[in-house]
Amino acid sequence: SQKIEQNSEALNIQEGKTATLTCNYTNYSPAYLQWYRQDPGRGPVFLLLIRENEKEKRKERLKVTFDTTLKQSLFHITASQPADSATYLCALDLNNNAGNMLTFGGGTRLMVKP
Amino acid sequence: DGGITQSPKYLFRKEGQNVTLSCEQNLNHDAMYWYRQDPGQGLRLIYYSQIVNDFQKGDIAEGYSVSREKKESFPLTVTSAQKNPTAFYLCASSIDKGLAGVSYEQYFGPGTRLTVT
Repeated sequence: SQKIEQNSEALNIQEGKTATLTCNYTNYSPAYLQWYRQDPGRGPVFLLLIRENEKEKRKERLKVTFDTTLKQSLFHITASQPADSATYLCALDLNNNAGNMLTFGGGTRLMVKP
Repeated sequence: DGGITQSPKYLFRKEGQNVTLSCEQNLNHDAMYWYRQDPGQGLRLIYYSQIVNDFQKGDIAEGYSVSREKKESFPLTVTSAQKNPTAFYLCASSIDKGLAGVSYEQYFGPGTRLTVT
């Protein structure tokens, strides 16, 4: 069956450290993968997008990797801050003929302690 | 300000009543989407629309209906046939040029929390 797995356990880290979140998928062949941030009671906000032929993408303190062999994406936040505390969602874009549709993982909650 | 709005933020209904959730965008996006999010879970697609007067069922369309009479608006009706309607509902929009090989971010509204008792 098709699955997108993100660690359902919250990730607790100390301020200043690098947070690494994992997104694994099974029986999908995404052309793109997107990462979103969601704060409690609010809609997700887009962070980064990576194509299947890109190994790595960076934006300020954020870095995403995409390994289509391992069927895994890693999302890194360097020099983490308490303001980075949120739930992070990965989403697969299968880029089929059905338009710009995304399939979301369950999200991982990140808690950055001062 | 460009963006996507949903109203109301909180909605309470009695079981057996239909309820309509509003979603409006002024981003000039062709595509609009409705998702449902349950506590601790990811987003599940209810319906999507790539163009005015056309929409498609997502993974969990049973008990829901939509319309897309205007580009800016994509209201969702939660009918009495939906067995577990209490959830957080999110509307989103995106560019959709109908091209393969391109991916666009989705812009989300603030959500409507529906409670049915």
